[in-house]
Amino acid sequence: NAGVTQTPKFQVLKTGQSMTLQCAQDMNHNSMYWYRQDPGMGLRLIYYSASEGTTDKGEVPNGYNVSRLNKREFSLRLESAAPSQTSVYFCASSQGAVNSYEQYFGPGTRLTVT
Amino acid sequence: KQEVTQIPAALSVPEGENLVLNCSFTDSAIYNLQWFRQDPGKGLTSLLLIQSSQREQTSGRLNASLDKSSGRSTLYIAASQPGDSATYLCAVRRRETSGSRLTFGEGTQLTVNP
Repeated sequence: NAGVTQTPKFQVLKTGQSMTLQCAQDMNHNSMYWYRQDPGMGLRLIYYSASEGTTDKGEVPNGYNVSRLNKREFSLRLESAAPSQTSVYFCASSQGAVNSYEQYFGPGTRLTVT
Repeated sequence: KQEVTQIPAALSVPEGENLVLNCSFTDSAIYNLQWFRQDPGKGLTSLLLIQSSQREQTSGRLNASLDKSSGRSTLYIAASQPGDSATYLCAVRRRETSGSRLTFGEGTQLTVNP
């Protein structure tokens, strides 16, 4: 039981390049989330998926797209990376979104955009 | 807009000391409050989840309390150990019409000295 896994762990991009961050969970959770963590800003929600087939914007969605591929997988895509997207990205999952369920986090992807 | 504040930002204590970390939030309409631990370069590990109807939760040497009316939570760590050194984050899940989201504080960086 791996919990929440993320790939890659580290990535360096040049401005304008694109990439997809992958996230998978094996806990049969319905809801999945993408956050970014920046010094002085804390963790902020980018997008979330309350259930398979649905996605919604969080606090900071600009410059990102997401795909809920199936119940297990939720990917985050940067179409044209910018230095402001240098951050640590965390994926999380929970049993549900509306009810009071605990969130479980992956180990993070450290992204640098030069 | 929900805001979460954690004080102090950093704390250094000798091993064996009991300590309290503080978390305050501005909007009392929450589903629950969750305390996390984050080790350097790692993801978030959930420590305790307190539902809005509860006053406290305990796990081993950790005890978290919640006073929703005053917008406060505390995390009490008994008999601190060097292995407790980490950043502790609190997050509240607020009520929204479409799903619910976690709002994070910026964390308290704890150092327990042997």
